[in-house]
Amino acid sequence: DAGVTQSPTHLIKTRGQHVTLRCSPISGHKSVSWYQQVLGQGPQFIFQYYEKEERGRGNFPDRFSARQFPNYSSELNVNALLLGDSALYLCASSLSGTGGRSQPQHFGDGTRLSIL
Amino acid sequence: AQSVSQHNHHVILSEAASLELGCNYSYGGTVNLFWYVQYPGQHLQLLLKYFSGDPLVKGIKGFEAEFIKSKFSFNLRKPSVQWSDTAEYFCAVRVADRGSTLGRLYFGRGTQLTVWP
Repeated sequence: DAGVTQSPTHLIKTRGQHVTLRCSPISGHKSVSWYQQVLGQGPQFIFQYYEKEERGRGNFPDRFSARQFPNYSSELNVNALLLGDSALYLCASSLSGTGGRSQPQHFGDGTRLSIL
Repeated sequence: AQSVSQHNHHVILSEAASLELGCNYSYGGTVNLFWYVQYPGQHLQLLLKYFSGDPLVKGIKGFEAEFIKSKFSFNLRKPSVQWSDTAEYFCAVRVADRGSTLGRLYFGRGTQLTVWP
């Protein structure tokens, strides 16, 4: 079975630009969460989406936004990129976002975003 | 905000040595606990998880972890490490109280384990 897939693998942008990152969850998973992992740190939660609705937001500025589509895939958008946005962006999926408390998250390989 | 502490940033062991990686968290309510491993060039993989019941949980590849609620700890152990265990290990906590965001994990900063053959 295919795992969580993310695209692109790597991306280079300059300050002020906009970026869109994409995630396809494991088949049957309805919940998608996004994380930012800066070098030398653990992943930091950005958003969770479940059934196309935002269910949680971490401590990130409004430049970060996301959405989930009817097929449960998701996009993370970042506007007005800053040097500090350089990081590995991880997507994780799970079966459910509210009930089913025993469902762990499964992670994709991530998108490496570099800001010049 | 909740915090997760992994006190060992880099651990170096010889093969067959025993391993214990510490993890402490700050939340006083109901939690789910996880250890993830990231092998070089690969994605985060779930090693083991604790939701409820027996506080000693066994995971893949001979790893186990013990939840000690009174110490807010979830330490990872392996009796005898192998060269192939070289990887980065992350402890993660999910707040499991009613109304919490179940899709949110709080991660520690990770422990790099290097095992010499």
